[in-house]
Amino acid sequence: AQKITQTQPGMFVQEKEAVTLDCTYDTSDPSYGLFWYKQPSSGEMIFLIYQGSYDQQNATEGRYSLNFQKARKSANLVISASQLGDSAMYFCAMREGPGDSSYKLIFGSGTRLLVRP
Amino acid sequence: DTGVSQNPRHKITKRGQNVTFRCDPISEHNRLYWYRQTLGQGPEFLTYFQNEAQLEKSRLLSDRFSAERPKGSFSTLEIQRTEQGDSAMYLCASSPSTGLSNQPQHFGDGTRLSIL
Repeated sequence: AQKITQTQPGMFVQEKEAVTLDCTYDTSDPSYGLFWYKQPSSGEMIFLIYQGSYDQQNATEGRYSLNFQKARKSANLVISASQLGDSAMYFCAMREGPGDSSYKLIFGSGTRLLVRP
Repeated sequence: DTGVSQNPRHKITKRGQNVTFRCDPISEHNRLYWYRQTLGQGPEFLTYFQNEAQLEKSRLLSDRFSAERPKGSFSTLEIQRTEQGDSAMYLCASSPSTGLSNQPQHFGDGTRLSIL
């Protein structure tokens, strides 16, 4: 079974509107971290936001926020006020285990977001 | 902080040739990772170094693949006798050992390998 599932291969959003990118995960480890990365066409993976399994509040970083629903094992990324520069691939990733003891990130297959002017 | 640097950006080679990629991590980062990303997929973990020690290798890393980090600074990834299936983007990442769960890995721009 896949550990990280991103069910939306592609999404469109109108500039200045909000968009939600879905991510569900599967783990039996009570300690884990969830990361979202952005990958523009240039190839570099850019870290956006982090949510820990024990965090009580949803993470926010500027226009990015996480809708973390632990019981449903989902960690959806919300981008508010979309900009043309947000057009890219977005990957959800998980690291299992406490702290940074586990070094391996497990990635989903990504969602391609296109922002329309 | 100059970021993670990877060279070359692109490599085109014929099947059966050997290729070597280089990764220069962020200077104070003692952890270094290699991932492989095929078209339409997310990155897949290949191997991990803590300083100069290679502590983990994925089953994806066949005997034709070898990675080194001789002085705990830069790393090289070599693929011998390349095959069509080796065509992919090879990503390098680095991070410090902070013990913090929110510590992200910082990625380079990757090396895109095309096998003719």
